[in-house]
Amino acid sequence: GENVEQHPSTLSVQEGDSAVIKCTYSDSASNYFPWYKQELGKRPQLIIDIRSNVGEKKDQRIAVTLNKTAKHFSLHITETQPEDSAVYFCAANPSKAAGNKLTFGGGTRVLVKP
Amino acid sequence: DADVTQTPRNRITKTGKRIMLECSQTKGHDRMYWYRQDPGLGLRLIYYSFDVKDINKGEISDGYSVSRQAQAKFSLSLESAIPNQTALYFCATSDPRQGSDTQYFGPGTRLTVL
Repeated sequence: GENVEQHPSTLSVQEGDSAVIKCTYSDSASNYFPWYKQELGKRPQLIIDIRSNVGEKKDQRIAVTLNKTAKHFSLHITETQPEDSAVYFCAANPSKAAGNKLTFGGGTRVLVKP
Repeated sequence: DADVTQTPRNRITKTGKRIMLECSQTKGHDRMYWYRQDPGLGLRLIYYSFDVKDINKGEISDGYSVSRQAQAKFSLSLESAIPNQTALYFCATSDPRQGSDTQYFGPGTRLTVL
């Protein structure tokens, strides 16, 4: 089945700096790659997603890039703010046949220091 | 997201006890999922259901069972709880028919097995 690796597991950045989280996946048929943010004590919530027919997608300070050849995708957060402190999860949808079944990475705990 | 609710929110039980966690949704979604979250391991899929008559095992289904009583309700049971089932459990829903692959998570149930 699909395997998703996420790095780093923890990331500490100074407020205003950029943060980058990287994920690799194993199933070349995967076609949907969402990112979820989980604040302390809260539920995961989708912040951005990308499909395999697109190389990059931006939403204000957040961007996701996808390299299908290398089977990796990354989350970029620019001008980090204290409210960006959270755990971030990447995920991959193994294949069309799997419907919405997602495989998640292990998560990255991001701490933005004021 | 108040449209996906879980009960109980916290539960402490003893080894060998039968436990049921319940999930309800008012989003009208056809797909429902149960995940467990452990530190450093991300979200791992236990079971998922694409409609009332459809039940599928996820990557870690051993020791768990589910019931899809109605489109809006999906229950997770631990027939005989053991300490390594101590975790945070999330229910999620989705419905691609509504134009999105986003999964919406419930608030979580923190289960402790002594």
